[in-house]
Amino acid sequence: KAGVTQTPRYLIKTRGQQVTLSCSPISGHRSVSWYQQTPGQGLQFLFEYFSETQRNKGNFPGRFSGRQFSNSRSEMNVSTLELGDSALYLCASSFTGLTGANVLTFGAGSRLTVL
Amino acid sequence: KNEVEQSPQNLTAQEGEFITINCSYSVGISALHWLQQHPGGGIVSLFMLSSGKKKHGRLIATINIQEKHSSLHITASHPRDSAVYICAVRSYGNQFYFGTGTSLTVIP
Repeated sequence: KAGVTQTPRYLIKTRGQQVTLSCSPISGHRSVSWYQQTPGQGLQFLFEYFSETQRNKGNFPGRFSGRQFSNSRSEMNVSTLELGDSALYLCASSFTGLTGANVLTFGAGSRLTVL
Repeated sequence: KNEVEQSPQNLTAQEGEFITINCSYSVGISALHWLQQHPGGGIVSLFMLSSGKKKHGRLIATINIQEKHSSLHITASHPRDSAVYICAVRSYGNQFYFGTGTSLTVIP
């Protein structure tokens, strides 16, 4: 069974540009969540999608957005990049039943550097 | 104010020692996760708990919902256990909150 696949693994952008990151969940998983990890702030929750709907969102500015497609693949977009957006972006997938709380399987992450 | 507090922040142990990492949280939760992160970034989910106790190999996780506290125990620690261990909770509002992590080094 293939794991959670994130692309690209590494990328370098300059301030003001935008970036799109992709996450392909484990087959059969319908929930995808996104996280930002930095040395200063640690892990922080960005948003969660289930069946193409954003179920909840963390405390990030509107420059951070995402979407989920009918095949459960998800993308997140960061517009007008700032130096502080340099981070490891992780996604996780889960099979979300009625309780909404299931084991998370993480991807390897996309490491974004903003110059 | 951090919704999730972990202790200790850093821990060094000799191979074979029994290790305990603690996690306290302040919000109502539907689930608590223990995560392991090795250098290089990859995160592995070790346990998801909503009550009681779970065991997997040398790892044991417990949770006390009334006291809002969880512990991760590693029995007979091994150098390959060296990693950062992160406690995360899913609140009733479907937000995720993370502890700052416990960096564990096991010396042969």
